[in-house]
Amino acid sequence: QSVLTQPPSASGTPGQRVTISCSGSNSNIGSNSVNWYQQLPGTAPKLVMSRNDQRPSGVPDRFSGSKSGTTASLAISGLRSEDEANYYCSSWADNLNGWVFGGGTHLTVL
Amino acid sequence: QLVQSGAEVKKPGDSLTISCKASGYRFSSFWIGWVRQVPGQDLEWMGIIFPADSDTRYSPSFQGQVTISVDKSITTAYLYLSRLKASDTATYYCVRTDLATISLGAFDLWGQGTKVFVSS
Repeated sequence: QSVLTQPPSASGTPGQRVTISCSGSNSNIGSNSVNWYQQLPGTAPKLVMSRNDQRPSGVPDRFSGSKSGTTASLAISGLRSEDEANYYCSSWADNLNGWVFGGGTHLTVL
Repeated sequence: QLVQSGAEVKKPGDSLTISCKASGYRFSSFWIGWVRQVPGQDLEWMGIIFPADSDTRYSPSFQGQVTISVDKSITTAYLYLSRLKASDTATYYCVRTDLATISLGAFDLWGQGTKVFVSS
């Protein structure tokens, strides 16, 4: 069981906005920032959001991130077929002195 | 970029070293670590090392079972796995953090992954 909790699946139609949540505790999300990774089938994960709401260079501005308390969210607007992937959240855990991940959310574009 | 060594097939009890060659940035200035992904499962952080001084941190889940090291002269990081079990069958990724302050970092560079299959 993962330290951070994500819904196992999410879906939307092209053009829609979808939001993926990530829930943690005071020792991780509550006191540290959250990063999000996108993993396309058969490939290595890719950083799509760092430190809650910072988009790395090259990531479309359709992606946005936020954090409140012990919960973080990744939103994707103007959904496109190429967004279909697994999305993982991650945060530093003070009690473990290392990073923890969520179980991943499989996003389907209908 | 980070380029890892190729896939491996091992027997239970064997040992294994995976390499990760870094290029295109100042190797000593960024933490470099390892993430495991068991087939069909989520990501697990294993440990990380700061090449400048070899400061190394391990996840409690992997402490004592793996060893992380670097060779600065060839900008390469290593993950040593001993006494392999079938449950070590996974893809192992090397990663770089984008900040020197470890708790603020994000994994902005990933290797292509090394698939390890352990079976008798």
